[in-house]
Amino acid sequence: AQTVTQSQPEMSVQEAETVTLSCTYDTSESNYYLFWYKQPPSRQMILVIRQEAYKQQNATENRFSVNFQKAAKSFSLKISDSQLGDTAMYFCAFMTSQGGSEKLVFGKGTKLTVNP
Amino acid sequence: GAGVSQSPSNKVTEKGKDVELRCDPISGHTALYWYRQSLGQGLEFLIYFQGNSAPDKSGLPSDRFSAERTGGSVSTLTIQRTQQEDSAVYLCASSLVWGTDTQYFGPGTRLTVL
Repeated sequence: AQTVTQSQPEMSVQEAETVTLSCTYDTSESNYYLFWYKQPPSRQMILVIRQEAYKQQNATENRFSVNFQKAAKSFSLKISDSQLGDTAMYFCAFMTSQGGSEKLVFGKGTKLTVNP
Repeated sequence: GAGVSQSPSNKVTEKGKDVELRCDPISGHTALYWYRQSLGQGLEFLIYFQGNSAPDKSGLPSDRFSAERTGGSVSTLTIQRTQQEDSAVYLCASSLVWGTDTQYFGPGTRLTVL
């Protein structure tokens, strides 16, 4: 079974600074998908970024980028120029493309606080 | 366009009662997923639908839980004889097609069983 580990339950960063959230996963699959979702206090899970395992290039979305290390099974999220609105729970998630079950497997989450 | 909607936003019920939670996916999305988010267990998959059929029900915790989807659109998650351990946020997500397409989430229903 696939597992996702987020080793940082809580983190804080000053506004305008850069922060990196860690995520590791365990799988025997060769092709899969990785996601970072953001969940603010409103509870709405919002997709931040998506990475296909077969792509070597790291995904980026504006201030958000990932460092995908397939051999190490690591998928960290870097937030540049942190903003107060980035305060939220961040979940790393894994999805296999095999087996006919395209469910997301989530990590326990990292609570990020951006301080003014 | 409109996102995934869920109702009710909050539900408080007494132990032993039945509850129904509703999910309206994004228009045109064929796949629909239910997840449960609780303090102790984190986010866990419950069931997913492709059209009106449910190929994977492996995450339903007991036979008190059931779900259906009609017309390839709205889905209802039913919990019978609720227990206190059912208290959680129930999240629904939809994706355009089944498979590895990105899932978009609704705001969830917070269920509290007294």
